[in-house]
Amino acid sequence: GAGVSQSPSNKVTEKGKDVELRCDPISGHTALYWYRQRLGQGLEFLIYFQGNSAPDKSGLPSDRFSAERTGESVSTLTIQRTQQEDSAVYLCASSFSQGLGYGYTFGSGTRLTVV
Amino acid sequence: QKEVEQDPGPLSVPEGAIVSLNCTYSNSAFQYFMWYRQYSRKGPELLMYTYSSGNKEDGRFTAQVDKSSKYISLFIRDSQPSDSATYLCAMSLSNTGNQFYFGTGTSLTVIP
Repeated sequence: GAGVSQSPSNKVTEKGKDVELRCDPISGHTALYWYRQRLGQGLEFLIYFQGNSAPDKSGLPSDRFSAERTGESVSTLTIQRTQQEDSAVYLCASSFSQGLGYGYTFGSGTRLTVV
Repeated sequence: QKEVEQDPGPLSVPEGAIVSLNCTYSNSAFQYFMWYRQYSRKGPELLMYTYSSGNKEDGRFTAQVDKSSKYISLFIRDSQPSDSATYLCAMSLSNTGNQFYFGTGTSLTVIP
């Protein structure tokens, strides 16, 4: 596809359940980022994948959060034992390489609601 | 203190007005300064970025950075209803996204 695709677009889950969010980056984009956007707050960096390098997980808020990416393809963000404070929009972005000059495209996000 | 402060608005202006959006920051080491536009239910879209101080112009949009005051601005000339969106500022120590710090966004409505 032409853009970054995220699924599902909306997810409502019960507290304590696990959820899996998916990101399909633009073909050929080696860099992939996950961010969280909570209501009234700025985007928070979660995790960064660059090619086959070890991911930068420094933004993950707890060990309930994990993410995987195989090569330069799809990435999944998993949240285990969801809590109400996990409610947010989870955004994925990809780019050809590191750096703003290579362009930086966001998906429309997954809106997660934990009830 | 937050790394980046941005007035959430909302800001409402008539079509054709000049819009000024601003952010302040606390970390003097920031080198890259960005503005994103985010339409409702969509992801942010990079509008412009600047490196270090100075101005950058792109069509109706002008970005200014004043590092001495730790203050950045985005000006929109001849505002259009299609400019109605939330505008996010972001700053970084480097140009890779794992080091971006975002403001909370300013909601702008341009009234026809």
